[in-house]
Amino acid sequence: QLQLQESGPGLVKPSETLSLTCTVSGGSISRSNYHWGWIRQPPGNGLECIGSVSYSGSTYYNPSLESRVTISRDTSKNQFSLKLSFVTAADTAVYYCARVGAGVVDWGQGTLVTVSS
Amino acid sequence: EIVLTQSPGTLSLSPGERATLSCRASQSITNSQLAWYQQKPGQAPRLLIYGASSRATGIPDRFSGSGSGTDFTLAINRLEPEDFAVYYCQQYSSSPWTFGQGTRVEIK
Repeated sequence: QLQLQESGPGLVKPSETLSLTCTVSGGSISRSNYHWGWIRQPPGNGLECIGSVSYSGSTYYNPSLESRVTISRDTSKNQFSLKLSFVTAADTAVYYCARVGAGVVDWGQGTLVTVSS
Repeated sequence: EIVLTQSPGTLSLSPGERATLSCRASQSITNSQLAWYQQKPGQAPRLLIYGASSRATGIPDRFSGSGSGTDFTLAINRLEPEDFAVYYCQQYSSSPWTFGQGTRVEIK
């Protein structure tokens, strides 16, 4: 059974870079037909797609965040990562990593990242 | 960007009743690339429906999806206690992929 687990700091200072890693077990991120993505949810609010990296390594970013986002993968570790630069309080959210096929098929449990000094 | 508008915002029903949730898109969604998710407090969302009408693995048949173009519906027959949650629609036909704002199904 596929499992995804987010890891990274829970507190980031304003203007710094948020960095998260998703470790995938039970399946290879190089497997075709899937993207591996990041989705966030501010406390008490709805869901926003941040972007994804495909099985072949191509990336897609939400235009609203594109100037600040980098998503990469490490196939040797079966991990993919998110970097979001110049964060503000508006970036405080639960960040989910996910496997994306026809819809978001599998989700990590999510990790709360708070932006505060 | 495709904007998804869900209605109603909150649905108050009793166990055993039928729930009907609406998701309307600001422009046509091609190939019915629309999904529905259920989210309970403190949990990640769970995929219920993809392709507008196909149930995801392990989803009970009391959940059904329908629609095409700009109007989509999620129906839940005979609400069970565990079905009271927030439901989101999402389109994946056009980038950026977008979600609706959610419908809360609460116990009346």
